[in-house]
Amino acid sequence: GQNIDQPTEMTATEGAIVQINCTYQTSGFNGLFWYQQHAGEAPTFLSYNVLDGLEEKGRFSSFLSRSKGYSYLLLKELQMKDSASYLCAAGVNTGFQKLVFGTGTRLLVSP
Amino acid sequence: KAGVTQTPRYLIKTRGQQVTLSCSPISGHRSVSWYQQTPGQGLQFLFEYFSETQRNKGNFPGRFSGRQFSNSRSEMNVSTLELGDSALYLCASMGAGISEGRGYTFGSGTRLTVV
Repeated sequence: GQNIDQPTEMTATEGAIVQINCTYQTSGFNGLFWYQQHAGEAPTFLSYNVLDGLEEKGRFSSFLSRSKGYSYLLLKELQMKDSASYLCAAGVNTGFQKLVFGTGTRLLVSP
Repeated sequence: KAGVTQTPRYLIKTRGQQVTLSCSPISGHRSVSWYQQTPGQGLQFLFEYFSETQRNKGNFPGRFSGRQFSNSRSEMNVSTLELGDSALYLCASMGAGISEGRGYTFGSGTRLTVV
């Protein structure tokens, strides 16, 4: 089956750095996505990793290790507006393409 | 270009009724997927349509159905509503594939409350 695990909730302080981990066990894996979702809103795309290594995009970075089935999202210089849920999703192709989502990590940034 | 449009945004229905939700994907996107989101359960895959054909279906009862039209707009229908169907229903469209590197683009969702 397809399984994605990530912590349910994390807290951090404004200005700090936080790392959200995600482990996955999927068949037909072909990429790892991170989405941000504010309460009551649609998920929005943050990052995509298909090869091992770190992808940096401003304050956000994402890492992937395909051999370990592991990814993390790193958020630097946290701001209050970063309080949201962060969804890890594995792209899988078992004849057609789809995304399998974790349950999301709710991040609360405090002053 | 316009994003993914879902209507209505909010809906309140009574147990036993049926409901139809609509999704218009990004122009040119032929793949439309539907997800149910509830607290603690995350995004649960309902089904995906591509060029008017259902390509895959998740583990939901037959009360959940959908279709896609020739203009790629999609509808999902839930019959005989139950209290547990209360959720945010998200539609997502995808272009040529995740090789584009952006995966899905989501609509704002329809918040369904069953009373």
